[in-house]
Amino acid sequence: GDSVTQMEGPVTLSEEAFLTINCTYTATGYPSLFWYVQYPGEGLQLLLKATKADDKGSNKGFEATYRKETTSFHLEKGSVQVSDSAVYFCALSLPFYNQGGKLIFGQGTELSVKP
Amino acid sequence: NAGVTQTPKFRVLKTGQSMTLLCAQDMNHEYMYWYRQDPGMGLRLIHYSVGEGTTAKGEVPDGYNVSRLKKQNFLLGLESAAPSQTSVYFCASSSLTSRGYNEQFFGPGTRLTVL
Repeated sequence: GDSVTQMEGPVTLSEEAFLTINCTYTATGYPSLFWYVQYPGEGLQLLLKATKADDKGSNKGFEATYRKETTSFHLEKGSVQVSDSAVYFCALSLPFYNQGGKLIFGQGTELSVKP
Repeated sequence: NAGVTQTPKFRVLKTGQSMTLLCAQDMNHEYMYWYRQDPGMGLRLIHYSVGEGTTAKGEVPDGYNVSRLKKQNFLLGLESAAPSQTSVYFCASSSLTSRGYNEQFFGPGTRLTVL
């Protein structure tokens, strides 16, 4: 079945370090891919998205490219800040006719950025 | 424009008690979802609704019931709470975008503990 696997955390980085969080997926068809971010005590916020192969999603300095050949959607940021400390979730969406277009999430990766 | 709101934010129940979680959205979205978040497991779909008066089961529906009497509200009920239902519950809503992908908007969550 459809699934998402992302690297386990926690990931601890120093401010201004380069970030990569790996995400791979298994899906039939052509899902849309998302990265959501959850700050402490809050709900999930959409960080970026890509809807077809080779699309690059970007927001707030974060980027991810939809790679169909490697079934990957790795999240990257060139220089992290303390304010980026959060839990990051990779997700894919099923078509609307399949369980209402539910999202399938990875297990989440906790990022902690130290000053 | 409040987006997606959830009440209550926190709740402690004893085994066997019942309660209802309320989700409300003001974006006129057709689709609404209830997820639960457990450590190391990402979010899993409990129930969903594709429109007023319709509901359907997700991947972990046992022990829960839902109702969608009004388009803007989606209620999640626990008839007889069990410790295994200790979790953080998130409601989400979405609408088919003009580009055909499913961007879900999440509420802030309800933290439920069952003793």
